Amino acid sequence: AQSVTQLDSHVSVSEGTPVLLRCNYSSSYSPSLFWYVQHPNKGLQLLLKYTSAATLVKGINGFEAEFKKSETSFHLTKPSAHMSDAAEYFCVVISPGTYKYIFGTGTRLKVLA
Amino acid sequence: EPEVTQTPSHQVTQMGQEVILRCVPISNHLYFYWYRQILGQKVEFLVSFYNNEISEKSEIFDDQFSVERPDGSNFTLKIRSTKLEDSAMYFCASTKRAARQQETQYFGPGTRLLVL
Repeated sequence: AQSVTQLDSHVSVSEGTPVLLRCNYSSSYSPSLFWYVQHPNKGLQLLLKYTSAATLVKGINGFEAEFKKSETSFHLTKPSAHMSDAAEYFCVVISPGTYKYIFGTGTRLKVLA
Repeated sequence: EPEVTQTPSHQVTQMGQEVILRCVPISNHLYFYWYRQILGQKVEFLVSFYNNEISEKSEIFDDQFSVERPDGSNFTLKIRSTKLEDSAMYFCASTKRAARQQETQYFGPGTRLLVL
């Protein structure tokens, strides 16, 4: 069965420092992977997705993620955190042939001034 | 930019009452979904819907739940007789095509349901 594990429930960084949000996946097939962000009282917004075209995926707002098959990981990074990045981040996997997303438990990012 | 909208944003109901959660998907999308997130837990898939039929449903989606597209714009989730454990945030999502590989689902802001 497909699943994703987000290794940290909370991450705190100082403004201007790098962000690393970790996600490991489990899939019998070549997975499709996504990162979504949820700001308070807002819907889930797509940050980026892995389409198998390139292992390094660039998304919106300066975020990127690298698909590493050998490590079954899809970690989300950003070189320099901004206060507006404070939100909850979800790693998601979808497998071919199904209609559903499978979510990780989420990582709440806090950015300190 | 087109968005998925959901109403109400918050709903409080008594146990045993029926509730209807409403969603307006993006206008040219054909596939619709409901997910829920119980406080402190994962976002879980409930159901997908296409061409006026359920495409897939989870084990959570029992006989107390139903979905409907009553007109060309709304997509609703009905809980017939609410239970305390139905308290959760409910998200609606839509896609242009089936959620095969690479397809992006667009989510609404959610409805927070509290059952007392």
